[in-house]
Amino acid sequence: DTGVSQDPRHKITKRGQNVTFRCDPISEHNRLYWYRQTLGQGPEFLTYFQNEAQLEKSRLLSDRFSAERPKGSFSTLEIQRTEQGDSAMYLCASSPWGGSNNEQFFGPGTRLTVL
Amino acid sequence: QKEVEQNSGPLSVPEGAIASLNCTYSDRGSQSFFWYRQYSGKSPELIMFIYSNGDKEDGRFTAQLNKASQYVSLLIRDSQPSDSATYLCAVPLLISNYQLIWGAGTKLIIKP
Repeated sequence: DTGVSQDPRHKITKRGQNVTFRCDPISEHNRLYWYRQTLGQGPEFLTYFQNEAQLEKSRLLSDRFSAERPKGSFSTLEIQRTEQGDSAMYLCASSPWGGSNNEQFFGPGTRLTVL
Repeated sequence: QKEVEQNSGPLSVPEGAIASLNCTYSDRGSQSFFWYRQYSGKSPELIMFIYSNGDKEDGRFTAQLNKASQYVSLLIRDSQPSDSATYLCAVPLLISNYQLIWGAGTKLIIKP
């Protein structure tokens, strides 16, 4: 296992289009997180899954954002009707259940540019 | 007041010197603290975590926690050019053990 993977690495889209990103966590990790990061800022929490259950979702997340983890393995993040303000790096992270700390392992990210 | 605050820098340190990075947090009940390193264009990676007051050392890195003053710092000894990166401080949100609240990061530049 080589760590958390994300696909695509880069996405350029036009305003109003829908986009979907995929995240494959480390295989034995049952916790999965999505973050968004803009230049000069730390990551901003979007949502959290424990296995297939979406347990937390940021209040900042509009209805245009939805995430799924149907079988408790990979996850998808969809943004509908993209806006220029959605341009950011979207990061996925995973962590194991019962770890002694909340160490989160990050994937390489998907950079979204909305024109 | 932001929940986790860091000086954005850049902090410029000569090679071989000690780099000192600071982070303050607002929630007095916070119990654990994380330092991540992020190279330009890359994703964050965990450097250290600390739970208890005092110092925790790992190689060239030392994390220092002072809960009474609500700050946590990261010291990097014998700084190398490869340490040049942005260092992010993260604290779990108290009402949720899963959400990390992140500072904006301090950009560190090690000058040869």
